[in-house]
Order: sequence, then C-alpha cells, then structure tokens
Amino acid sequence: GIQVEQSPPDLILQEGANSTLRCNFSDSVNNLQWFHQNPWGQLINLFYIPSGTKQNGRLSATTVATERYSLLYISSSQTTDSGVYFCAVRDRGSTLGRLYFGRGTQLTVWP
Amino acid sequence: EAGVAQSPRYKIIEKRQSVAFWCNPISGHATLYWYQQILGQGPKLLIQFQNNGVVDDSQLPKDRFSAERLKGVDSTLKIQPAKLEDSAVYLCASSLLYGQGYEQYFGPGTRLTVT
Repeated sequence: GIQVEQSPPDLILQEGANSTLRCNFSDSVNNLQWFHQNPWGQLINLFYIPSGTKQNGRLSATTVATERYSLLYISSSQTTDSGVYFCAVRDRGSTLGRLYFGRGTQLTVWP
Repeated sequence: EAGVAQSPRYKIIEKRQSVAFWCNPISGHATLYWYQQILGQGPKLLIQFQNNGVVDDSQLPKDRFSAERLKGVDSTLKIQPAKLEDSAVYLCASSLLYGQGYEQYFGPGTRLTVT
C-alpha cells in the first residue's frame, strides 16, 4: 500500500508560535485529509485537500500532488491546538476507499 | 447535520470474551468504514461497506472479527474471542461515496481494553 510519512513526530511550542507540519506520500493520491485527534480520541476533519491551498482561520494547508507532499500551517498557536495531527491519503490507483494514515505529529502547546 | 455516532464509548473485557460495537453513519452516506487504531499509530482499515455489501475486508482478521451492515445504514463490528492485542480504539467513518476520493468523517470511537 501507499506509504505516508509525517514529520516531525513531536513538536513543542509556546503559545503564539507558528508551526509547519509535513506529510510525504509515496504514490499518486485523489484524497488527502488532515485531521486533529483530540485528547478524547476523536478525529476532527481539518482539511480535505488532494491538491492546492486552503485556509481556515489560523490553519492553512497546501498539497503539491506532483511532488507528493502536503504541509499544514498553524499560526499563533493556542493550548487548544494540542493533540495529534494526522495526514491520510487515498491511492489514486485503487478502486477501494481505504485511507492510509501516517503515524501523526504530536503537538504540545504550552501557555 | 448529525455526525457519525458510535457506542459504547468505552469497553473493558477479559480475553476470550466477546464484544460488539455499533455505528450509525451520517445520513445519506452510502459508504461505511471500520478502522482500528492501536496506541501510538495511525488508524488502519478493517472493513469497508458500500450500502450493505462488503467492498474491502482484506485486513479484517476473519477468524475472530466479523461485521455487518444489514440494511445499508448502521453497522455492527464484533470480536469473538478477544485477544490482548485487540486493545485499541475502533473508529467508524462514513463518506457519501468512495470512487473519486470522497471526504471521510469519523465518529468518536470506542476504546476497547482487553485484560
């Protein structure tokens, strides 16, 4: 299956700082989603972004499909941004709907 | 719009016992997925349904796991008998369709502990 690598694995920030999370994938995709997993385990949809750039408040994401990577930007971080951020992709060449997840980036924001 | 519903939220059982999880997808979503998330890892697909038919169960341990979606709406995932390594969060997701990479939405999950 398609390989998904996320970096960095851990990130510790002070409130107000900016950060960039990266997702590399090994093959062409037609679905790429960024999720935030809260402390209770729920996956919250942040972006559906198989290509291009999107912004939602302090968060933005860019996917360069031809170069097989995506970036998630968090600006002016807040303590509520803490949690694990996952990137997940669907193989364009597959007839199935399976999402392949990376291992996530654990973000901790201190006040 | 209501999200994906799951129950129970937590379950503790002893090894060799059986357990069942329930999922109700977003209204109108034809595709339903069950993922398993072991601590420290990303979720991995167990099974995918399209309406009431199985599309992909290649990663489902069929000797102990079973799932059904009889009326094409809600679904049940069962483990019998449970093993210690089944301790994980079981996540249900749904999407409108799946052929062109539709966005998937996840429920709150069921945290299973096998002792």
